[in-house]
Order: sequence, then C-alpha cells, then structure tokens
Amino acid sequence: AQSVTQLDSQVPVFEEAPVELRCNYSSSVSVYLFWYVQYPNQGLQLLLKYLSGSTLVKGINGFEAEFNKSQTSFHLRKPSVHISDTAEYFCAVSGTDSWGKLQFGAGTQVVVTP
Amino acid sequence: EAGVTQFPSHSVIEKGQTVTLRCDPISGHDNLYWYRRVMGKEIKFLLHFVKESKQDESGMPNNRFLAERTGGTYSTLKVQPAELEDSGVYFCASSQTGHTNTEAFFGQGTRLTVV
Repeated sequence: AQSVTQLDSQVPVFEEAPVELRCNYSSSVSVYLFWYVQYPNQGLQLLLKYLSGSTLVKGINGFEAEFNKSQTSFHLRKPSVHISDTAEYFCAVSGTDSWGKLQFGAGTQVVVTP
Repeated sequence: EAGVTQFPSHSVIEKGQTVTLRCDPISGHDNLYWYRRVMGKEIKFLLHFVKESKQDESGMPNNRFLAERTGGTYSTLKVQPAELEDSGVYFCASSQTGHTNTEAFFGQGTRLTVV
C-alpha cells in the first residue's frame, strides 16, 4: 500500500515568483509518481510523471519535479508563476504493477496574485 | 477527440433516493476508473474496469454502490439508497491498456450532494 502527504494545503504566491509544492510518499513497493492539476471547473490534468530514468522530470506549463528516492519526495516547482497557474495541485503515486490505481495526496491550493 | 465525459455535472438528491452517475471514456480506452473526493479529503480510488470486467473494486465503500460497464464502453455508478456521507465529487478516468507511458485522462467530475 502507498500513502501520499502534501505538506501544504494552501500556497499563496505572487505573480512571477517561484513556487514549490511539497510531496512525500511512503510505499512498500516500487512506485510511479504523478502530479495532476485541477483548474477551476475542470477535470484533473496530468502535469508530469516519473516512471524511471532521470530523476528530474519536466512537464507542461513550465513545471518540473524531482524524484528523491532517499527522501521519498517528489516536489513540484515552477520558477515563475502566472495568474493562470491558480489551481489545485495533486501529488499521486501508484505501484508499478498497478499504475492506473492512483493514491492521491490531499491537494495543495495555489493562489497566484498580482 | 472527445475527452472523458461525465453526466450529470451536478446532482442534488435527498437521503434515501437513488442516483446514477454516468461516465463515457475516451474511445478505445479499455481501462476505466472511478474515484471520489469527499469534501476536505483526498481523492480516493473506488474501482477499475478492464473492458467490461471489474479488475479491482477494493475501494468501493459498501454495497450501496454498484458500478457497471456493459459492453465495455460507458460506465454507470449507482448509489442506492444515498446517504449524507456519499456527498462529494465523483471522478471517472480512462486509459489505454498495456502502455505505462500513457496517462489516465480524467473527466470533470460529478458533484453529488445528498441532503
């Protein structure tokens, strides 16, 4: 079984400032890691995923995340946010043998202000 | 290409009534998943279909919930009778089979309110 902890429920940030959303996980098996975003009144959209290989993963809209196996973390970063990045962000994990069955964190609400 | 569509987008029902949620996956996607987010909590897995077969229903809360996917196309999730704690947002997702490099595409969700 896996579990995911998103350490911040809400992150206020000014436009053009950097943002980091923290995610830690625990698992007894090998995992795949994901970040999803939910914009207001929309469904969940995949930002990026880590399956294997390079621990630095680049996603859409300028986001990137780094997998750290020793710290069991998968933090999401963006060097300069826009107003349009206001959304809720979800970290998720799945076992490598059941990759479609996702265990989500509680979500982090990012509010970008001018 | 149409994405995953869910119907209705919102539903308000009284305790004890029956509600049926529908999910149309992306055409050709054999995998279909249901998830639920109860207010203030994380999104939780409910079950997974591969075509018309239930692959994993370990997340279904109780026997008041019945999911079907006749013909391996669209899926329905029926709640009968609904209880107050069933309120939340129900998400459906679909994906191709056998491709770990693909992704699960989510619908916009159905917001269910039981009063």
